[in-house]
This record gives sequence, structure tokens and C-alpha cells, in this order.
Amino acid sequence: QVQLQESGPGLVKPSETLSLTCTVSGGSVSNDNKYWSWIRQPPGKGLEWIGYVYYSGNTNYNPSLKSRVTISVDTSKNQFSLKLTSVTAADTAVYYCARLHLYYDSSRPDYWGQGTLVTVS
Amino acid sequence: QSVLTQPPSVSAAPGQKVIISCSGSSSNIGNNYVSWYQQLPGTAPKLLIYDNNKRPSGIPDRFSGSKSGTSATLGITGLQTGDEADYYCGTWDTSLSAGLYVFGTGTKVTVL
Repeated sequence: QVQLQESGPGLVKPSETLSLTCTVSGGSVSNDNKYWSWIRQPPGKGLEWIGYVYYSGNTNYNPSLKSRVTISVDTSKNQFSLKLTSVTAADTAVYYCARLHLYYDSSRPDYWGQGTLVTVS
Repeated sequence: QSVLTQPPSVSAAPGQKVIISCSGSSSNIGNNYVSWYQQLPGTAPKLLIYDNNKRPSGIPDRFSGSKSGTSATLGITGLQTGDEADYYCGTWDTSLSAGLYVFGTGTKVTVL
């Protein structure tokens, strides 16, 4: 059973960089057709996909955040990370890491971390 | 702003059935498989349905999914109090070159 766990600061100051790490257990970040994603949910609102990284290092980001986002992978540690620069109060959200199954026209985040609340203040 | 539209809320009595719709376009639902997620209060979303109508192991057959054209639906039969949650649809959207994953606006299910 694949498990994901987010870690990182719960409080970030405006204009600074939000940094989170997701540790994967029970599976490898190097699996084919599995893309490692970040998804966020502002308090009381819906889900927003931030982007993904493949084990090769290839990335794809939501255009709405692309200028501020970097997602990277460390296969030796079975981890992947999120950096979001120049944060504002609008970036306050629960951040989830998730495994995204993506193969032709079939896609789904199938395993999720428990989520971590990051407050910008 | 989500490109997939869901009703904000639906409700029914225990034992009854609810249907949740998810409306999109040819760049998302029309040409890609749809998934559904259940988010119980204070928890992470959980995959309920994938590839339009398949259930992961452990998901009861009270939950079902279907797709027609640019819309999809999630059905819940034999409604239970434990089904009170927010439900989201999701799929890949190819309106931009690299594509991105999009979620619906979310539907709150209330058991009366």
C-alpha cells in the first residue's frame, strides 16, 4: 500500500517561499506512468492541482501558478518537493501530495497524503 | 475557477439515492476518463470511481459512475449517514498544450 506524508513549515511570511516535501513509502517514485503531484485546497474551498514531477525530472505545472512553482524529485530518498515563491495570503491552504496515475486518456490521483495546512501570515 | 461544474449541494433521506452531475467540455470530460473523490470532513480526498465507472478495491457497489458526452454522473444508492461528505469529479484537460488535471467545483451531500 502506497503511503505519502507531507512535511514542512506550517507558517510562512508573505513574499517568502513555501517549501514542502512529500515522502513516499510502500512504492517507488521511479514507477512508470506514475506522476508525483501537489494539490491544494484553501479553507472552505475546492481542490486545485498545482503540478507534477516524473521520476525523470520532467514537470508540468498549472498555468495559473507556473511562474512561481517548482516541483522536484529525489529518487534516492523516494521524495518529491514543492517550492512556491512570493506567497500571499491567497496561498493559505491545505497542501496535499498525491500520486497521479497518467496513461493516455486515463488519469487520476489515486493515493493522497493526509495534507498539511500552510498559513501565510 | 474550475472548468468542471457540479451542483453545490444535494440531499436525501437515509436509504435513498442521490445523483451528482459534473459538466465539462470536449477538452476535458469529452475526451478523457473521469474520476470521483469523496472528502469526509477534515480528511484528504479518497478515490471513489476511476475511468468513468470503475471502483477501486474496497469501495462498495453503492457508488457508481457514468459518462455521456461532456458530462459525468456519480450515483450513491442506499444513502448512509457516513456518506455525508464533499464529492469532487476530476479529469485531464487538454485545452492547453501540456494539459493539466482539473477538479469539479464540489458537491456537498447531506443525509436528511
